[in-house]
Amino acid sequence: NAGVTQTPKFQVLKTGQSMTLQCAQDMNHNSMYWYRQDPGMGLRLIYYSASEGTTDKGEVPNGYNVSRLNKREFSLRLESAAPSQTSVYFCASSEDPGTTDTQYFGPGTRLTVL
Amino acid sequence: KDQVFQPSTVASSEGAVVEIFCNLSVSNAYNFFWYLYFPGCAPRLLVKGSKPSQQGRYNMTYERFSSSLLILQVREADAAVYYCAVCPPSAAGNKLTFGGGTRVLVKP
Repeated sequence: NAGVTQTPKFQVLKTGQSMTLQCAQDMNHNSMYWYRQDPGMGLRLIYYSASEGTTDKGEVPNGYNVSRLNKREFSLRLESAAPSQTSVYFCASSEDPGTTDTQYFGPGTRLTVL
Repeated sequence: KDQVFQPSTVASSEGAVVEIFCNLSVSNAYNFFWYLYFPGCAPRLLVKGSKPSQQGRYNMTYERFSSSLLILQVREADAAVYYCAVCPPSAAGNKLTFGGGTRVLVKP
C-alpha cells in the first residue's frame, strides 16, 4: 500500500495564479482532510470530508475550495493564490470520522507564493 | 476556540529520557494524539488515547487536561518535531486540533 500520496511535492506560484493540490489514499478510508503547516502554529485544518460526497470547512477555509472526487481522492484548489498561502500542505485520511481514529498523513506539498 | 500548548524546543543528551508537555486551554476531557514529524516526510502517529499508554520507547501520560510524551533512551535519530493533537470526545467528526510542535534537540 502506498498509503496517502500527494502531488506535486513542490510548487512555486505567482500571486493571483491558481492551482490544485491532489491527494489520494489506497486504504479504503471514508474520511479525508487537508491541513496547512506554518511555523509555530502546528497544523491547522482547512477542509475535511467525513465521507464520500460531503465536505465541511475547518479552521482556516478562506481562499480554498475542495472536491471529494471519489472515495480515494480529495483535492484542494487555490483559485487566486496569495503570499499568505505560502505553507506546507498535508492531506490525511482516517477509516471513519470517529474521535479515536488515527489520521494517516501524506508527505506534504511545499507551496511558495511570490 | 480550543488551544493546545506545548514547548517550542526541548534539548537533551543521548540516552536520557525526554519529556514533552502538552496542555489544553479548555475544561473538557480529550483524546490525545502524539505525532512525529521529520521535515519532508509524512507526520506519523506515535501513540494516542485517553489513558496512559506505551508504544516501544514512547510513553504517553494522561491527565484530564494534559498529556506528556516521554521518549526513553533518546537517540540522535530522534531529533525531530513532535506534535500534540487533541480531539474532543463529542466532536462531530475526527477534527484534530494541533499544538505548535516541539523541536527535540539531542546532543551526542
